[in-house]
Amino acid sequence: QKEVEQNSGPLSVPEGAIASLNCTYSDRGSQSFFWYRQYSGKSPELIMSIYSNGDKEDGRFTAQLNKASQYVSLLIRDSQPSDSATYLCAVNNPADRGSTLGRLYFGRGTQLTVWP
Amino acid sequence: DTAVSQTPKYLVTQMGNDKSIKCEQNLGHDTMYWYKQDSKKFLKIMFSYNNKELIINETVPNRFSPKSPDKAHLNLHINSLELGDSAVYFCASSQQPRTGWERGNYGYTFGSGTRLTVV
Repeated sequence: QKEVEQNSGPLSVPEGAIASLNCTYSDRGSQSFFWYRQYSGKSPELIMSIYSNGDKEDGRFTAQLNKASQYVSLLIRDSQPSDSATYLCAVNNPADRGSTLGRLYFGRGTQLTVWP
Repeated sequence: DTAVSQTPKYLVTQMGNDKSIKCEQNLGHDTMYWYKQDSKKFLKIMFSYNNKELIINETVPNRFSPKSPDKAHLNLHINSLELGDSAVYFCASSQQPRTGWERGNYGYTFGSGTRLTVV
């Protein structure tokens, strides 16, 4: 079982603050990393993907990857109450072979609440 | 135009009954999955099909039987439902990378989920 660990939360931040969500993974060979957002009662929605070390920015969201430390994070700047959701980290495993290559391994999620 | 559609959205049924959940994707993806999400939000993989072939079958009671008539459809049939089967079941699809190092749009697209309540 591949391990994908997320800070357990829940995380509560005031509106306008930076929310920082963290994820560590056990397989050093992982190459593809995804962040999903899941609103209560809804399905997970892909919001960021990252493959190279460093930062990737998309609007208020920044994904940060450090493969040496086996660490991927998601920063949400200027947090809004509408960002309140559970955030799921997902990682691939290139040791998967053949038709199972696309499988992702999910963390247990971090619940974020942004209060006005 | 829904990319991954899943029906029904809600299912309330009595213990011992048999029920089915259907999933269809119009994204042209090769691979489809069934996940179970418990009350603590953990997504646990159950099954995966690639081009109609079963490729992942996790430790799931054999009361659960998936069927994929073609690569765009994946159904889940559950026999003799138990209280512990109550959960949200998600269908998902993804494109298949050629190698584990290939970068691209290989994230999952999820269906809207089926909330199953067994009473």
